[in-house]
Amino acid sequence: KQEVTQIPAALSVPEGENLVLNCSFTDSAIYNLQWFRQDPGKGLTSLLLIQSSQREQTSGRLNASLDKSSGRSTLYIAASQPGDSATYLCAVKEYGNKLVFGAGTILRVKS
Amino acid sequence: DAGITQSPRYKITETGRQVTLMCHQTWSHSYMFWYRQDLGHGLRLIYYSAAADITDKGEVPDGYVVSRSKTENFPLTLESATRSQTSVYFCASTAGTSGFNSYEQYFGPGTRLTVT
Repeated sequence: KQEVTQIPAALSVPEGENLVLNCSFTDSAIYNLQWFRQDPGKGLTSLLLIQSSQREQTSGRLNASLDKSSGRSTLYIAASQPGDSATYLCAVKEYGNKLVFGAGTILRVKS
Repeated sequence: DAGITQSPRYKITETGRQVTLMCHQTWSHSYMFWYRQDLGHGLRLIYYSAAADITDKGEVPDGYVVSRSKTENFPLTLESATRSQTSVYFCASTAGTSGFNSYEQYFGPGTRLTVT
């Protein structure tokens, strides 16, 4: 059974710092990995999707990498801002389009 | 408006009552999903559907029933609600078939359900 772990569970940083969120998964037979953002009381917003054949994807200040063989992904956020405060979730896609989620990292960026 | 919508957004019900949560998407995506989100468990898949009239169980299907008579709608029914089903429920959809790697899953705003 696929298990997805996110470290750290919570992170508090001052504005302007570069930071890394980690995601690991136990079964490397994935189709893609997706990073989401969730604001309190809201739904999930897709940030980046990395296909299983790709190594990284970038969108603005966000960069996500994928090492499928070792079962790891990282989300790098450059020059963090208070507006980046949210919960970040990673999810791996299995056969049947099913997503298996990690528990998330709660990020707080202090101004 | 285009997108994926859920109704109601908030619901309080009593133990033993039947409750139906609605999900509607305007993209004609083939796949639709129901997840529940609980503290300490993250998001877990309840049921999913690959197309109209095709549904399958996810990780936590017990106590739930789904149907999909039309591509755009995927209702979730709690036949006899229990307190353990108090949760936030998210509906999602994607255009890709299971073999495609490049299609994202899009999520609705969620329904917060409280069973008293």
